[in-house]
Amino acid sequence: QKEVEQNSGPLSVPEGAIASLNCTYSDRGSQSFFWYRQYSGKSPELIMFIYSNGDKEDGRFTAQLNKASQYVSLLIRDSQPSDSATYLCAVNVVRGSTLGRLYFGRGTQLTVWP
Amino acid sequence: EAQVTQNPRYLITVTGKKLTVTCSQNMNHEYMSWYRQDPGLGLRQIYYSMNVEVTDKGDVPEGYKVSRKEKRNFPLILESPSPNQTSLYFCASSSSETVNNEQFFGPGTRLTVL
Repeated sequence: QKEVEQNSGPLSVPEGAIASLNCTYSDRGSQSFFWYRQYSGKSPELIMFIYSNGDKEDGRFTAQLNKASQYVSLLIRDSQPSDSATYLCAVNVVRGSTLGRLYFGRGTQLTVWP
Repeated sequence: EAQVTQNPRYLITVTGKKLTVTCSQNMNHEYMSWYRQDPGLGLRQIYYSMNVEVTDKGDVPEGYKVSRKEKRNFPLILESPSPNQTSLYFCASSSSETVNNEQFFGPGTRLTVL
């Protein structure tokens, strides 16, 4: 069973544009949602998390969550070449254990060209 | 500095030669986890541990062992490595106090099994 699906990409946008990354999940018991950024050969780095329906903004990043549609997205405004990376969507599913387990999507590769 | 460390960072070995990849965190986190990352497959969880002496299988545990004798350490053991275990491995940790299971990743270990 595939828990987390992301638009496979790659996604290519010009500098200054808005990059939109999408993710759907299958388990309605999912409670919190994360976006990680991963540069090639490096470890994932948390950039946003969200657990309530609606939007959450942090600088140029906005995470959007719609639990009814089981959909979470990440918008990157004013994209910069330094945003070029793979973006991983992760979903925390709590099934009995206190903390739950994180399930990751396969990632969307974003390229921002100058 | 709060961090997750892994050793070695790079390892080339031969089929059947037992090896251990160490993971240590200095944040007093209860939860630790091992992932492998392969092209096109994303991050997949191998084993996780909720606390000392408490471990459980993730999605791809075959061929791996773990132990959690101390809170800070969570080594990954490959008793008889095979070429299909060639991968990029990440250790991660999180605190039960975060509620959302926000995980912090180590720098990764690139393993090649010949």
